[in-house]
Amino acid sequence: AQRVTQPEKLLSVFKGAPVELKCNYSYSGSPELFWYVQYSRQRLQLLLRHISRESIKGFTADLNKGETSFHLKKPFAQEEDSAMYYCALSVGGYNKLIFGAGTRLAVHP
Amino acid sequence: GAVVSQHPSWVICKSGTSVKIECRSLDFQATTMFWYRQFPKQSLMLMATSNEGSKATYEQGVEKDKFLINHASLTLSTLTVTSAHPEDSSFYICSARGEGDRGYNEQFFGPGTRLTVL
Repeated sequence: AQRVTQPEKLLSVFKGAPVELKCNYSYSGSPELFWYVQYSRQRLQLLLRHISRESIKGFTADLNKGETSFHLKKPFAQEEDSAMYYCALSVGGYNKLIFGAGTRLAVHP
Repeated sequence: GAVVSQHPSWVICKSGTSVKIECRSLDFQATTMFWYRQFPKQSLMLMATSNEGSKATYEQGVEKDKFLINHASLTLSTLTVTSAHPEDSSFYICSARGEGDRGYNEQFFGPGTRLTVL
């Protein structure tokens, strides 16, 4: 079965602290994974995807096929990083997305 | 950047009536659009994949006669909730596939439509 699991509903950290948002997936094929972010009162937007091996706004994510994980990391959190983060798995010919439940990141001053 | 709009942003209707929600790609053409549903404090659940000029592909458990999808042009997909009931009250979000600033295809999301059925 295709599934994305984000075990933490809320992650609360202080400014400057490291952040790791966990994501595990279940998929029999070759996975294509994404992180989406939704800031307060804004629409969902793409943060990064594993194929591009990007660093966006200081965030990185590495695909670990052995552990079926795609955790999102940032060494020093900023207050403006506070948002809802969704991990998503692309499946099928039309690249439809299966979303995890989301993790709310709260960065405190 | 690629922009997707939805109309209306919110709608209240009586039980038994039908409601149409529009999803438009404003500055790009999208052969594929997606419709999602999001309940409060929950994640996005894919309802269907909408392809221009062909029938939509519905996810398991989604009633195709209840949620009618039409993708008549490369910039417009519509979702009609027929004979709406209170349990259909939700946040409906569409997305459209297009090429982003980073040079690859991605899904661009609309702002969502909040439907309340009385």
